[in-house]
Amino acid sequence: NAGVMQNPRHLVRRRGQEARLRCSPMKGHSHVYWYRQLPEEGLKFMVYLQKENIIDESGMPKERFSAEFPKEGPSILRIQQVVRGDSAAYFCASSSSPPGYTFGSGTRLTVV
Amino acid sequence: KQEVTQIPAALSVPEGENLVLNCSFTDSAIYNLQWFRQDPGKGLTSLLLIQSSQREQTSGRLNASLDKSSGRSTLYIAASQPGDSATYLCAVETSGSRLTFGEGTQLTVNP
Repeated sequence: NAGVMQNPRHLVRRRGQEARLRCSPMKGHSHVYWYRQLPEEGLKFMVYLQKENIIDESGMPKERFSAEFPKEGPSILRIQQVVRGDSAAYFCASSSSPPGYTFGSGTRLTVV
Repeated sequence: KQEVTQIPAALSVPEGENLVLNCSFTDSAIYNLQWFRQDPGKGLTSLLLIQSSQREQTSGRLNASLDKSSGRSTLYIAASQPGDSATYLCAVETSGSRLTFGEGTQLTVNP
């Protein structure tokens, strides 16, 4: 069981480019969650998805951010027109059904 | 709105010492509480999960307790080792299947 797989581990983007972060949940898990950890801050909930459905996106910024979890393939967190303030570690977690979450190793996004 | 506070923010102890990390939360209507460990530049490793109906959980040298009515949890680490050095995060799950995290306690165990 490979656990929650996130890629890339590190991503560098210039201001204005798009960032695409991928997350493959643990085998058998159908719930995916994205969290963001800004420098020197705690983890903050962004979005909760099940296959082909966004369940709760109340933590997502209103503009430039989107997430999907298609029927086939990984969950994608997309950030359009990145700005320096988007630089953070983005973590994905999965569960079969709560309780208990398994986190991936994260994608560290740096916007230059 | 749920808020989670962890005290102390940082702790440095000599090897072999027993220690307690504290977590408090403002809304007692939680489903469960989970303790994680985060190493620098790495992801989160789940340590212990306590469901709302439980009082404590144990795994090896770790023991976590939960007092839901007072909004508190403690993580007890026995006989600390340098390898225990990390940031320890407390997170509570409330309705909607989301975790609210504290900002963590950064633990350093000195040889």
